[in-house]
Amino acid sequence: DTGVSQNPRHKITKRGQNVTFRCDPISEHNRLYWYRQTLGQGPEFLTYFQNEAQLEKSRLLSDRFSAERPKGSFSTLEIQRTEQGDSAMYLCASSLFRDLNEKLFFGSGTQLSVL
Amino acid sequence: LAKTTQPISMDSYEGQEVNITCSHNNIATNDYITWYQQFPSQGPRFIIQGYKTKVTNEVASLFIPADRKSSTLSLPRVSLSDTAVYYCLVVPPEDSGYSTLTFGKGTMLLVSP
Repeated sequence: DTGVSQNPRHKITKRGQNVTFRCDPISEHNRLYWYRQTLGQGPEFLTYFQNEAQLEKSRLLSDRFSAERPKGSFSTLEIQRTEQGDSAMYLCASSLFRDLNEKLFFGSGTQLSVL
Repeated sequence: LAKTTQPISMDSYEGQEVNITCSHNNIATNDYITWYQQFPSQGPRFIIQGYKTKVTNEVASLFIPADRKSSTLSLPRVSLSDTAVYYCLVVPPEDSGYSTLTFGKGTMLLVSP
């Protein structure tokens, strides 16, 4: 499978716990994005990387959220001290920045439930 | 970024042609129009992209009038498996310095037997 892979698919945690999600992008893609989606809404941008550099972060993103892409390959998204409002689908996408018309390829997401 | 407006939901029957129109009155000269499809419990999937006139691929057609203030996604002969949310996005060119896609709520298409 050469698509974007996200793990785990589902995560249930208690309020106040830390969680970490992993994303493995398509191998030759140099850009990696994180989005969050709640029921009935479209995906909301969180942050993106070009190679290992984090180039943009949403102003709405709490300091409890941190993302890394240490070697320009896979990425992790960590949420510290989770709150019930963090419950959502967390989507990862990758793209090859050099295409004339950049297309994002999304993974199937990690569904987070904070109890 | 140009704001997009599209119907919240649409209903259709198998075998019919479905046209979903999106308004983007403030589209900039070099912006592209892109559509994504999302099934439940999956991430969005790129369907089609265009700049002007008509674009067709194996999945859909995209019609863009000369003023580019709107666009229409056309799905020929839909099936039950086309039930999904369809997002219209206006995408700046790569050299614009703006690199994030902004999704609205999309159009929920329900195809019935």
